[in-house]
Amino acid sequence: QPVLTQPTSLSASPGASVRLTCTLPSGINIGDYRLFWYQQKPESPPRYLLNYYSDSNKYQGSGVPSRFSGSKDASSNAGILVISGLQSEDEADYFCMIWHSSAWVFGGGTRVTVL
Amino acid sequence: EVQLVESGGGLVQPGRSLRLSCTTSGFTFGESAMSWVRQAPGKGLEWVGFIKSNVYGGTTDYAASVKGRFTISRDDSKSIAYLQMNSLKTEDTAVYYCTRVGDYYGLDVWGQGTPVTVSS
Repeated sequence: QPVLTQPTSLSASPGASVRLTCTLPSGINIGDYRLFWYQQKPESPPRYLLNYYSDSNKYQGSGVPSRFSGSKDASSNAGILVISGLQSEDEADYFCMIWHSSAWVFGGGTRVTVL
Repeated sequence: EVQLVESGGGLVQPGRSLRLSCTTSGFTFGESAMSWVRQAPGKGLEWVGFIKSNVYGGTTDYAASVKGRFTISRDDSKSIAYLQMNSLKTEDTAVYYCTRVGDYYGLDVWGQGTPVTVSS
């Protein structure tokens, strides 16, 4: 199974916009996949945030604020989660996921710290 | 409200078996595929396996790391999914989450998880 690569950690100040990346390995094209994003806080299960295929084909999870948004960067073969107006409550681990060859594949997660 | 509640986790010796249950409510269980995902201590998420709805034959598939040892089943009359884990290894130690497979194969609802510790 492919490995989705995410930066281990990221820190930013409240109010900042942060960009989390999820890079697919060469050989599988980000344009062919719907990317799912999850937020996980300590001692809690993952929470479904959103999925993104294209600007006209995306879905926001129930109750998820609009400051969480998705996109893709074809040049780097990556999916992107943008958190706008970072808040202290956004401090968490963020995982990306795709459905590939009848299996779910996760990224290793990015820990976001709010300074 | 859609709810998934896992149970059955605990401490088990290597080589032994354990069965996890996922009791669901708030949606039409029989129409949904269900998946299990695990998370080892301090680690990321790992897909374990899934079962399609009986509308699609109730077929199952598993990650290579558990294939031949783990079996997923479902009881639509009780709205419960099961994960039977045999020949457990220390590396199976993790929190096991039950999830619902939603649109576009997204895992849209998660239970709170049940911890499994495999140790002698």
